Amino acid sequence: DIQMTQSPSTLSASVGDRVTITCRASQSIISWLAWYQQKPGKAPKLLIYEASSLESGVPSRFSGSGSGTEFTLTISSLQPDDFATYYCQQYNSKVVFGQGTKVEIK
Amino acid sequence: QLQLLESGPGLVKPSETLSLTCTVSGGSISSTDYYWGWIRQPPGKGLEWIGIIYYSGTAYYNPSLKSRVTISVDTSKNQFSLKLSSVTAADTAAYYCARRESSGNYFGCWGQGTLVTVSS
Repeated sequence: DIQMTQSPSTLSASVGDRVTITCRASQSIISWLAWYQQKPGKAPKLLIYEASSLESGVPSRFSGSGSGTEFTLTISSLQPDDFATYYCQQYNSKVVFGQGTKVEIK
Repeated sequence: QLQLLESGPGLVKPSETLSLTCTVSGGSISSTDYYWGWIRQPPGKGLEWIGIIYYSGTAYYNPSLKSRVTISVDTSKNQFSLKLSSVTAADTAAYYCARRESSGNYFGCWGQGTLVTVSS
């Protein structure tokens, strides 16, 4: 089974910071990767699919990159609404989520 | 605007069967473009995919849960359902229904989620 590992588990940052979250797959998933944002008590929200395609309505400060086994989610300038937990999800083989990265206020 | 809403008991006894329904509004569950899925999240933990179903009834399950899971669809009611048998405390989680997008096995629209606690 494919395993997904996110790093870091927690990230402390300030408004305006550039933030990067990494997701590594245990084997190649080509570009079959999605990113979600989840706030406490809420459902996840799709941000990125196919590694780098921005979901409609998602602010352009979010971007995704990578292929094969290493992927990144970048927030170019962190906004107050962006403090949340972020999950990657591979869909090359079945569906597996990463363990999440919590972005907290520094 | 598409909306999904989970419903079902919030408390289930150990060894019994958890049953949830997802009602889809603002779109047809019979669309040939989409699958419909269930994902769960234990309190304070990450997300786990349970399975997906097509309007025709074709379903795919997480191998780790396959022996206990049944997902079904009722196109006349625009609903799909989850049954998880022989539950234990480890099945306590928020359960989400979601729409799997046409271009891949990811989820673009989610229900609000419902917390199911397994306890006697």
